[in-house]
Amino acid sequence: SAVISQKPSRDICQRGTSLTIQCQVDSQVTMMFWYRQQPGQSLTLIATANQGSEATYESGFVIDKFPISRPNLTFSTLTVSNMSPEDSSIYLCSVAVSWAVSSEQYFGPGTRLTVT
Amino acid sequence: GQQLNQSPQSMFIQEGEDVSMNCTSSSIFNTWLWYKQDPGEGPVLLIALYKAGELTSNGRLTAQFGITRKDSFLNISASIPSDVGIYFCAGQWQGAQKLVFGQGTRLTINP
Repeated sequence: SAVISQKPSRDICQRGTSLTIQCQVDSQVTMMFWYRQQPGQSLTLIATANQGSEATYESGFVIDKFPISRPNLTFSTLTVSNMSPEDSSIYLCSVAVSWAVSSEQYFGPGTRLTVT
Repeated sequence: GQQLNQSPQSMFIQEGEDVSMNCTSSSIFNTWLWYKQDPGEGPVLLIALYKAGELTSNGRLTAQFGITRKDSFLNISASIPSDVGIYFCAGQWQGAQKLVFGQGTRLTINP
């Protein structure tokens, strides 16, 4: 498995501002993922972040709104830009840990964002 | 985006009862994963399934990978108060790392 931490754990932000969320893993991993979980909803993948390459965004998510950095194999950041109340969600990072014939994903504790 | 059809959406049971929930999809998955999420926490991986027909246990939890590769179920035996939470299934296509999640099953236990 992997131990994942996120900062901040929660924040209350004003509309129009931006927030950068950090994700730190205790081991080197190739693939990291960022998810959004809107209140009372399931998880939706925002983007996949591989070290040394541009993040790959899912339909409905764009780099200008959710820029991602992946400077090394243990760290990534997600920025929520020009926030509106609709961005109020839990943002989760996860990592894929691969074995010989399979892989598993482990999640961080999440960042609870409220936009006023 | 595409989601799995997970049911039931919520369950209200008595302590000690057995629980069963399932997920179905129109797509064939190579891997099925089951997670539990407590309030204010991230999802925690419970069981991972990699082969059609595979039946795997983790303590009081048992999960199966459907033979058609389009469904999976999770059973919890003799429920206890700490089983309360939201359970998510997730599917993964062959050759892909991204996960597709079900809508979740909210489990409430009456003492």
